[in-house]
Amino acid sequence: AQSVTQPDIHITVSEGASLELRCNYSYGATPYLFWYVQSPGQGLQLLLKYFSGDTLVQGIKGFEAEFKRSQSSFNLRKPSVHWSDAAEYFCAVGAKNAGNMLTFGGGTRLMVKP
Amino acid sequence: DTEVTQTPKHLVMGMTNKKSLKCEQHMGHRAMYWYKQKAKKPPELMFVYSYEKLSINESVPSRFSPECPNSSLLNLHLHALQPEDSALYLCASSHGATISGNTIYFGEGSWLTVV
Repeated sequence: AQSVTQPDIHITVSEGASLELRCNYSYGATPYLFWYVQSPGQGLQLLLKYFSGDTLVQGIKGFEAEFKRSQSSFNLRKPSVHWSDAAEYFCAVGAKNAGNMLTFGGGTRLMVKP
Repeated sequence: DTEVTQTPKHLVMGMTNKKSLKCEQHMGHRAMYWYKQKAKKPPELMFVYSYEKLSINESVPSRFSPECPNSSLLNLHLHALQPEDSALYLCASSHGATISGNTIYFGEGSWLTVV
């Protein structure tokens, strides 16, 4: 069965600084990988996804993520964080043989200092 | 337009009440889902409907009863809930019935409080 680990429960960055949120997955084959963002009291919004092809994926709101098979990672990056980026970020993995099921990581709460 | 609409946004119910959560999508998606999310936790899958048939039930207690009247609508009927069932209930949908190449889109959620 697949699993996802987000090692950082909380991260605080200054506005304008760069950001990297870590995600490690466990799965025997090439997974389908997703990053979702959840603002307080809101649902989940898809930031980006990786299914195949180019391992550097561009998403909305200036985010990108890189799939590294050798490290079983799919880290999310943004070059310059805005105060509105403060939210909970979830990495998720879907497996080819797992039907419709997504497995989520525990989430990383991002706080942005002015 | 990638929109999943959920109503109501907030619901307070007593342990003896019967209520329903509703979800609607008009993207032509054939798979719909209910997730439960407790505070500071990731979403947990409850049910999956594929082509209007229940395909996955993650051992959810029978006090939660899903219903898919048509391909655009998904309901979650609630009866005799417990206070620990208080959570954010998220509806989602995807184009296809498997995760292969399909993105799952989430609604804003319905906040449920059981008193």
